[in-house]
Amino acid sequence: GAVVSQHPSWVICKSGTSVKIECRSLDFQATTMFWYRQFPKQSLMLMATSNEGSKATYEQGVEKDKFLINHASLTLSTLTVTSAHPEDSSFYICSATRGGNFNQPQHFGDGTRLSIL
Amino acid sequence: GIQVEQSPPDLILQEGANSTLRCNFSDSVNNLQWFHQNPWGQLINLFYIPSGTKQNGRLSATTVATERYSLLYISSSQTTDSGVYFCAVYTSGTYKYIFGTGTRLKVLA
Repeated sequence: GAVVSQHPSWVICKSGTSVKIECRSLDFQATTMFWYRQFPKQSLMLMATSNEGSKATYEQGVEKDKFLINHASLTLSTLTVTSAHPEDSSFYICSATRGGNFNQPQHFGDGTRLSIL
Repeated sequence: GIQVEQSPPDLILQEGANSTLRCNFSDSVNNLQWFHQNPWGQLINLFYIPSGTKQNGRLSATTVATERYSLLYISSSQTTDSGVYFCAVYTSGTYKYIFGTGTRLKVLA
């Protein structure tokens, strides 16, 4: 159990395009999901905490208007990279905990590799 | 905010060797997880271990919360153990997980 599905797994698009990434908890409800970004050979950096039915909490330095997060249901959160540019190219990965309970382990999707030409 | 440092940053082993990876954190935590990131980027959950010791096959982990560190032991390493190992900690005051700096492991055949 505790499967998190993330799509797409790879995106290549032109500069100026907006890209939507989906994160779904397949067999459990996730009140809270997390979005991370990872550059090559670096650790995961938390971008934002996504809460079902409310606005996301963004980390310092993360542009809210650039990275739009929507968590409309207990099993789905989406990250939209708006007007993407080459510097937005990165590996994006989401995680979820059962019922938003932080005393439960995180479960991760397989990530999305975004390349902006 | 809390700092999470892992050591060593890089490790090269011969197949069959044992190793210990360390995760130090600068403040009290409510939970801690160890992950293995494979070459495709997938994060594999190894242990959820806010305190105590757990074992799963050739892997085991120990967290000493009062001394603010956790250890991951890999015995009889295999080439498939190669990748990056991360610890991640959660503190209730912040409501978020912070990842460590990672240990990049390469196991040679």
